[in-house]
Amino acid sequence: AQKVTQAQTEISVVEKEDVTLDCVYETRDTTYYLFWYKQPPSGELVFLIRRNSFDEQNEISGRYSWNFQKSTSSFNFTITASQVVDSAVYFCALSDPSSNDYKLSFGAGTTVTVRA
Amino acid sequence: DVKVTQSSRYLVKRTGEKVFLECVQDMDHENMFWYRQDPGLGLRLIYFSYDVKMKEKGDIPEGYSVSREKKERFSLILESASTNQTSMYLCASSRGGSDLLRYEKLFFGSGTQLSVL
Repeated sequence: AQKVTQAQTEISVVEKEDVTLDCVYETRDTTYYLFWYKQPPSGELVFLIRRNSFDEQNEISGRYSWNFQKSTSSFNFTITASQVVDSAVYFCALSDPSSNDYKLSFGAGTTVTVRA
Repeated sequence: DVKVTQSSRYLVKRTGEKVFLECVQDMDHENMFWYRQDPGLGLRLIYFSYDVKMKEKGDIPEGYSVSREKKERFSLILESASTNQTSMYLCASSRGGSDLLRYEKLFFGSGTQLSVL
C-alpha cells in the first residue's frame, strides 16, 4: 500500500503566485522522518528539507515554507511568489522505521509549472 | 561539489539484451540505491547496498540484480531486458551507518532514461 499520497498530479501557476503542494502520509510508528525533494528538468533530485516526527514547528527557508501537522498526517509545502525556476517535479517522502528495511517511500510527485 | 554520476543519460536496448547501468559517487558514502521512476508511481526502490559486497532487495527487485565490488560504484544489471523495464533509473547515495540510513538525505544522479525496444 502506498504510504505517501500527493493528490495533486500537476499544478500550473503564473509567476509570482503562491503554490501549495499537499502531502499526506501513513505510518504506524511514532518516530519517522519526512522529506521533500525537487526534480528539475535536468533530472537530478535535490533534497529540500527533512523533518522528524517530534518537531511540528513550521519552517521557512526563503520563499519555501513547510507546514507539518501530525493530527492530519500532512506535511505540506508552499512556494511563495513562484518563479519560472521553480518549475519541477516535487516529491514528498517518508522514512518508515516500521518497515524495518530502511526504505524511503516516495509519493507519486507533483509537477509544478510556473509560467512567465 | 559532491557528485553521483550515472554513466549514460539515455540508453536504447533490445529485448533480451543484458544491460548494465553504472553509478559512481565521490562522497565516500556507505549507502547506495537504485530507484526506477515511472509517471504516476513516483520512485520505487529496486535494490540498495549499505556496504561493499552487500545488497538488499527493495520493492521491485524482479528482473534486476546489482553489484557493488567497490565502495564508490554500484551497478544495476538487467539480465534480460524486457519492454516493461523501459523507465527512468535513478541512482542515489547517502552517508553510512545502518541506523543513520533511514534518516539521511539522499544525493541523486541525473538518471538514465532506458528504452527497451
